[in-house]
Order: sequence, then structure tokens, then C-alpha cells
Amino acid sequence: EAGVAQSPRYKIIEKRQSVAFWCNPISGHATLYWYQQILGQGPKLLIQFQNNGVVDDSQLPKDRFSAERLKGVDSTLKIQPAKLEDSAVYLCASSLAGRSYSGNTIYFGEGSWLTVV
Amino acid sequence: AQSVSQHNHHVILSEAASLELGCNYSYGGTVNLFWYVQYPGQHLQLLLKYFSGDPLVKGIKGFEAEFIKSKFSFNLRKPSVQWSDTAEYFCAVNARGTPLVFGKGTRLSVIA
Repeated sequence: EAGVAQSPRYKIIEKRQSVAFWCNPISGHATLYWYQQILGQGPKLLIQFQNNGVVDDSQLPKDRFSAERLKGVDSTLKIQPAKLEDSAVYLCASSLAGRSYSGNTIYFGEGSWLTVV
Repeated sequence: AQSVSQHNHHVILSEAASLELGCNYSYGGTVNLFWYVQYPGQHLQLLLKYFSGDPLVKGIKGFEAEFIKSKFSFNLRKPSVQWSDTAEYFCAVNARGTPLVFGKGTRLSVIA
């Protein structure tokens, strides 16, 4: 089966510019996640969607980050304005629908590498 | 808040050596435990998972992990590593009402 698709794979922007990342989850997966992975650290959840509703965005820096999943399928993560510390890999992941944190396996995309200079 | 500790940042082993990567978590309730692997240039892949039942879990590529509840540990093992096991390994844990939390990862380098 097709995996989680993400684009672009790589992006270099200057600080204070904006950037958007796109994700298409595995077909049939109602739950979609965006993780941030800073070099040398494990992935950190930014936001979780169940269909088109937000389940958890407690760790999303809402002053500069936004995400949407309008039709309950693909999703966009936006950063505006970007800061140097936003340099990271942004991972999209998906899992089958179910109760939150039910233990369903989470499948990850290859990530979008962001460098802010 | 729950946290995950992976004791080793970088492990270097010769081929055929045995592997054990440590993982401890801090959460007193019922948890789900995972090991993910990231091969160079590839995405995170699930290696194995524990939800309940037999605390010794077998995963893909000959890996296994043992859940020891009293020690809050979920160590990953493989009796004989191969060069192709070179990768970064992440332990992760979640519980009801909490997001999946990852450790910082352990880089494994297997040399011939």
C-alpha cells in the first residue's frame, strides 16, 4: 500500500519568511499527526487530527504555526514567520481511526527537512 | 508528564555482536510501548510494539524487546547484529489521554 506522502522534501528559507508543508496520509487513516524532529532529538507531537477535527495541539506554537485538514484527508502545516529554531524535520504520520491513543500503529512519512537561515 | 529515556546516544558494535538498547519511561499507569527504527535516508518504521500480554515481544528482523513493569523498562535486544542494522532506534510510549512520546534515540553503527 502507498505510504504517507509529504512535500516538499527539503526547504531552505530565511528567518521571518513563511513555509508550508503538505501531507497525504495512508488511504483510510482517519488520524493524522504532525511531528517536529530537531536534530539529535526524538520526534515531538505538534498536532493531531481525527478526521478534520483537532484532537491535541497543546505543543503547537500557535503564534507562528498553523495546521489544517479541511476535508479530513490531506493536511497542511504552515510556519509564519519562521525562526532559526524552527530548523527541523517535519514528520507527518497517520493511523487508523480509533479512540485517541488506543495504541494503533502510527505510520510515518519521509519528512520535510526545513532549514531556516 | 511522561518521559522516555534512552541510555545510549551512540552504540558501535561489530557484526555478530549482541545488542541491547536501554529504554526507561516515567508513567505509573497502563502504557503502550514501541520501538521505531530509522535507517539512513528512510522514514521511521515500526520495529515492534507492546500493548498487553506476553512481556517478551518479537518484532521484525530478529529484534525483540522485554517489558519489565517493575523497572519501567522496555529494552530492545538482538542476539547477532548485521551491518544492515545500522540505523537510529527510538523508543516511544503512550497512555490513555496522552500523546506518543519518543526518546531521543540511539544511533547504532555496526562495523565489519
